[in-house]
Amino acid sequence: DVKVTQSSRYLVKRTGEKVFLECVQDMDHENMFWYRQDPGLGLRLIYFSYDVKMKEKGDIPEGYSVSREKKERFSLILESASTNQTSMYLCASRNSQSYGYTFGSGTRLTVV
Amino acid sequence: LAKTTQPISMDSYEGQEVNITCSHNNIATNDYITWYQQFPSQGPRFIIQGYKTKVTNEVASLFIPADRKSSTLSLPRVSLSDTAVYYCLVGDIRGGATNKLIFGTGTLLAVQP
Repeated sequence: DVKVTQSSRYLVKRTGEKVFLECVQDMDHENMFWYRQDPGLGLRLIYFSYDVKMKEKGDIPEGYSVSREKKERFSLILESASTNQTSMYLCASRNSQSYGYTFGSGTRLTVV
Repeated sequence: LAKTTQPISMDSYEGQEVNITCSHNNIATNDYITWYQQFPSQGPRFIIQGYKTKVTNEVASLFIPADRKSSTLSLPRVSLSDTAVYYCLVGDIRGGATNKLIFGTGTLLAVQP
């Protein structure tokens, strides 16, 4: 069964900490995405990548960066976590020729 | 990117057919219509996708009129386990990640016994 795996289901971090959220897919997909989901706001795109070492800003990139050194891995980095970054973070991947996204189970991050 | 509008919530009872309609007045020629389902504390799951007319799979049907400015997801004989948020997305699914999909706030379907 094809899979997108996010390294943590729950994380609690302190304000100002550097936070790494890891995502790995085993489908050899070119495209990978990071979304955050907040009540009443739906899913909002933070960053995406269409190839190794390539990245593009989504709709809300401020306060985040990403890294894609290998095709299967896409990391989201919070350089200095803030309380307004408390959210559910969802990673997804998609083949350029496919019809659908495959999502991970999400990481619920709480910044205190 | 075409914006979508769908009801915030819907209620139903077990065994009923549920139809969720999505408006996308600015849909472009190359855009496809895709629906996802999301349960609490899980990532969205692909349900169905179509371009025009009708598409059916083992889970749902998707009805798209000729002008493509709206679409209707039809869930036959829902059960309690169909309680979830349903998202309608419109976009060009071909090519690379630059053809990204935009999620709206979705429709919360609550199925009661």
